[in-house]
Amino acid sequence: AIRMTQSPSSFSASTGDRVTITCRASQGISSYLAWYQQKPGKAPKLLIYAASTLQSGVPSRFSGSGSGTDFTLTISCLQSEDFATYYCQQYYSYPPYTFGQGTKLEIK
Amino acid sequence: QVQLQESGPGLVKPSQTLSLTCTVSGGSISSGSYYWSWIRQPAGKGLEWIGRIYTSGSTNYNPSLKSRVTISVDTSKNQFSLKLSSVTAADTAVYYCARNRIAAAALYFDYWGQGTLVTVSS
Repeated sequence: AIRMTQSPSSFSASTGDRVTITCRASQGISSYLAWYQQKPGKAPKLLIYAASTLQSGVPSRFSGSGSGTDFTLTISCLQSEDFATYYCQQYYSYPPYTFGQGTKLEIK
Repeated sequence: QVQLQESGPGLVKPSQTLSLTCTVSGGSISSGSYYWSWIRQPAGKGLEWIGRIYTSGSTNYNPSLKSRVTISVDTSKNQFSLKLSSVTAADTAVYYCARNRIAAAALYFDYWGQGTLVTVSS
């Protein structure tokens, strides 16, 4: 199975900050990567697919980049509603689909 | 708007079989355009894909759970189901059902159920 590793596991930031989360795959996955946002007690919400395509309705302050093994999720100007846990997921090689361990974004 | 809703017992005894159902509304599970998956998340931990089913009944499972998992579909009820046998406390988690398109480039999960907590305890 392809292993997905996110960094950092958690960090603190302030409203208005620009933040970047990294996801690394244990082998090349082309651009078959999605990003999800999860808030406490809620299901994950799809933000980005194909590494850089914004899901309909997702604010443009979210962006994704990368291909192969290294990917990033960037939030250009943090809003209060963005404090959540973020997961990457590869869908290049399956079964199984695999997720990163998550990055928890907290308010500083 | 497609909606998915999990249902089933919230408490299962060790060694027994966990059974959950996902009811799909706002769209037909028989449309042929989607896979239907189960994903779980232990408290405070990450997401683990369990397996998926296509409308034809074709399944794929996570190798780590394959010996204990059965996913089935009931197109007449617009539902698909999960059975996980010989459960232990390690199977305690929130279980989600989710959908993804069948195209290879679209195997991300665009719709999720709200999740249901299943606790394994005597």
